[in-house]
Amino acid sequence: DGGITQSPKYLFRKEGQNVTLSCEQNLNHDAMYWYRQDPGQGLRLIYYSQIVNDFQKGDIAEGYSVSREKKESFPLTVTSAQKNPTAFYLCASSRQYRGQSNQPQHFGDGTRLSIL
Amino acid sequence: AQSVAQPEDQVNVAEGNPLTVKCTYSVSGNPYLFWYVQYPNRGLQFLLKYITGDNLVKGSYGFEAEFNKSQTSFHLKKPSALVSDSALYFCAVRDMRQAGTALIFGKGTTLSVSS
Repeated sequence: DGGITQSPKYLFRKEGQNVTLSCEQNLNHDAMYWYRQDPGQGLRLIYYSQIVNDFQKGDIAEGYSVSREKKESFPLTVTSAQKNPTAFYLCASSRQYRGQSNQPQHFGDGTRLSIL
Repeated sequence: AQSVAQPEDQVNVAEGNPLTVKCTYSVSGNPYLFWYVQYPNRGLQFLLKYITGDNLVKGSYGFEAEFNKSQTSFHLKKPSALVSDSALYFCAVRDMRQAGTALIFGKGTTLSVSS
């Protein structure tokens, strides 16, 4: 079945440590996104990528980094500069059909990151 | 700037009664509008979208939504609620002219259906 796989499901970070969250999709989608979800705050955009080797900052990019070396993969690194990383992280992807923006985003099942 | 408002943090309804989850939006141009549902510790599942045409959009699991341009609203509705509909619901918008950008989400509304 086609879909988006996020791993691990749970992740713990020590002080001063960088951690990387994996996101892989087999939907042949061009665009991929990372959101952070905190209780009562909805989803906030961290980074997004429309094509391979290109990505843009979202609303809360500070303390995070991404890469897009392959169409299928869009890993997110939470750096030690992110002082409050505890949250639920969601990866999504969507088609970019002829540049139109009417396609829904499809989501993975998330990674819950906590501080040790 | 684009934005979405879900004015109710929580909606409570009895099983078998109709339900409405409210959403209003703000975009500079014409909107593409979406509803998603999230169950605990899961990702978001797409329910339905409004692109153009008929103002009443039908989606998954018996849900529908009504687009009202004059009121800039896109309320989610279901004629008869089920206990299994209890979940967190998100409304999202994208300006039709901003191809390739991410969806803007509301803060979510928790729907609780009692038996």
